[in-house]
Amino acid sequence: GAVVSQHPSWVICKSGTSVKIECRSLDFQATTMFWYRQFPKQSLMLMATSNEGSKATYEQGVEKDKFLINHASLTLSTLTVTSAHPEDSSFYICSAYHPTLGRGGEKLFFGSGTQLSVL
Amino acid sequence: GQSLEQPSEVTAVEGAIVQINCTYQTSGFYGLSWYQQHDGGAPTFLSYNALDGLEETGRFSSFLSRSDSYGYLLLQELQMKDSASYFCAVRADQAGTALIFGKGTTLSVSS
Repeated sequence: GAVVSQHPSWVICKSGTSVKIECRSLDFQATTMFWYRQFPKQSLMLMATSNEGSKATYEQGVEKDKFLINHASLTLSTLTVTSAHPEDSSFYICSAYHPTLGRGGEKLFFGSGTQLSVL
Repeated sequence: GQSLEQPSEVTAVEGAIVQINCTYQTSGFYGLSWYQQHDGGAPTFLSYNALDGLEETGRFSSFLSRSDSYGYLLLQELQMKDSASYFCAVRADQAGTALIFGKGTTLSVSS
């Protein structure tokens, strides 16, 4: 299978600061990556679709200026949580789409997630 | 809106068989996937159905009925390590590849 690396795995920051999370496809080129957010004991909620070389597509209710997504290369997408507040504390997970490997959901490869805690 | 419904919790004992149901209501449908997630970990792919019927992968099987907008994940010969959250997920957009996830079912397996 394909490997997706996500860093950092956990981060603690003060309210008002910005945090950047990186998502890398290590052994394949991913033109499309996705960012999800998951609160404890809840579902994965799609935040945005990140396309290489173009602007991200955000889901309804997700603030574009709050969650900045950059997909500058075929192997790297970043999510920056700007001016983080305690309510942004959550588990953030990226996934990368592999066009030829597997079928359906099998084509999505997930990073290990980032637990963000904002104090 | 888009919604996927599954039971919130299921409990069973080792060696038993468990079925986790998923009903969906989405604007489009291009396949139902199942994922397993352990606490603090990333989701791992289990199974996928695009057409009606049963798909079997080892101890796990998944079923889909598109006319009923319904699917299930069947876990056999349960082991303690199967204790985790299980999510059904739908690809609702033909052009896109993002998945819409259900709320998850927490499976607790006891000895």
